[in-house]
Amino acid sequence: DSGVTQTPKHLITATGQRVTLRCSPRSGDLSVYWYQQSLDQGLQFLIHYYNGEERAKGNILERFSAQQFPDLHSELNLSSLELGDSALYFCASSVAGTGDYGYTFGSGTRLTVV
Amino acid sequence: GENVEQHPSTLSVQEGDSAVIKCTYSDSASNYFPWYKQELGKGPQLIIDIRSNVGEKKDQRIAVTLNKTAKHFSLHITETQPEDSAVYFCGTGFQKLVFGTGTRLLVSP
Repeated sequence: DSGVTQTPKHLITATGQRVTLRCSPRSGDLSVYWYQQSLDQGLQFLIHYYNGEERAKGNILERFSAQQFPDLHSELNLSSLELGDSALYFCASSVAGTGDYGYTFGSGTRLTVV
Repeated sequence: GENVEQHPSTLSVQEGDSAVIKCTYSDSASNYFPWYKQELGKGPQLIIDIRSNVGEKKDQRIAVTLNKTAKHFSLHITETQPEDSAVYFCGTGFQKLVFGTGTRLLVSP
């Protein structure tokens, strides 16, 4: 157990639907990063929050949004889902506001859009 | 932005052999270089990292070397074991980590 909790582990939904992925960071960590991992693809950075504030955005689609709450858990909202959104979504947490102290990853949410 | 290239994409070795995975980065300001191991069905796990003020770091059977002039860093695994079979990712960055595309390592008994 890495200390980073992601729920749900698996999600199957239909095209056009909306889903919410949840991440609880490791105790004491203030940063949450979201990454997308498609089949045979690397880890694509989506968005970074630090202590409730958005710090950086990557290749995140306009249909996707995220937020970090006062208790530091984060949610990634994916709407108007398309088949191509099927992927593993990972969150990672870090004590720092930058990535150069390393991350601890959760076990991911596998999203399947049918 | 930062770009990381990782080679090879797949690597098959016999148990007991050494394995080397290399990454090349583009941003000369990068100063942190971690390696992650991802086993099937799990999230990536940090196995070793190095900062730019160090040329080499070892932890038992794994080591990372960094050549800042050439902007590349490598993961070395000695005396490989079947449980080393996994996908390995290199990364670098400051605000956030950018990762290579991964190397699938298969260690055959």
